[in-house]
Amino acid sequence: DTAVSQTPKYLVTQMGNDKSIKCEQNLGHDTMYWYKQDSKKFLKIMFSYNNKELIINETVPNRFSPKSPDKAHLNLHINSLELGDSAVYFCASSQGLGLAGADTQYFGPGTRLTVL
Amino acid sequence: DQQVKQNSPSLSVQEGRISILNCDYTNSMFDYFLWYKKYPAEGPTFLISISSIKDKNEDGRFTVFLNKSAKHLSLHIVPSQPGDSAVYFCAARMNRDDKIIFGKGTRLHILP
Repeated sequence: DTAVSQTPKYLVTQMGNDKSIKCEQNLGHDTMYWYKQDSKKFLKIMFSYNNKELIINETVPNRFSPKSPDKAHLNLHINSLELGDSAVYFCASSQGLGLAGADTQYFGPGTRLTVL
Repeated sequence: DQQVKQNSPSLSVQEGRISILNCDYTNSMFDYFLWYKKYPAEGPTFLISISSIKDKNEDGRFTVFLNKSAKHLSLHIVPSQPGDSAVYFCAARMNRDDKIIFGKGTRLHILP
């Protein structure tokens, strides 16, 4: 059983399209995240949700909108895709907010998005 | 503004020897430091962490050392094994929020 799963694994699309990436975790965790790893290999947080509520929202264009239908799912919708959106997107989850210590984050396998 | 820096993009070590991966940081407010390991086409996997109040944490073949005055930490793997070949990310976080700041990663090659 995959703890954190993402679909699709690869996504190739044209500029201007709207696309979604789905994420599901079966760990019973309360917090989920989206990270972006760009061409320079930096892995940066985009959003985090705790019990379906937005906790972290980094300076991400509002074309990116996370949607959490329940605490086991955090989907990422991207509107009007641009070339610079090409990257690997990782979903992750953790038990809590990590305020009590080094709360481990568990990552999904990533979705490689290529915008042509 | 890179708060967590891994200045070596890659490192090659003979099997059985010690691998030392280095990491520097700029923010003295970090409370925890973490190391993640990543294989190709997989997400990062948590490896080991250390609290800012400690200077060493050991877990099997993996030991992390923290030098707060130098704002430097290192991951030691001994003995190195072929399965250790991966990209290693150094990361840091503050207790007040849930955000992990990652370094750029170091690709470790274990040579037979």
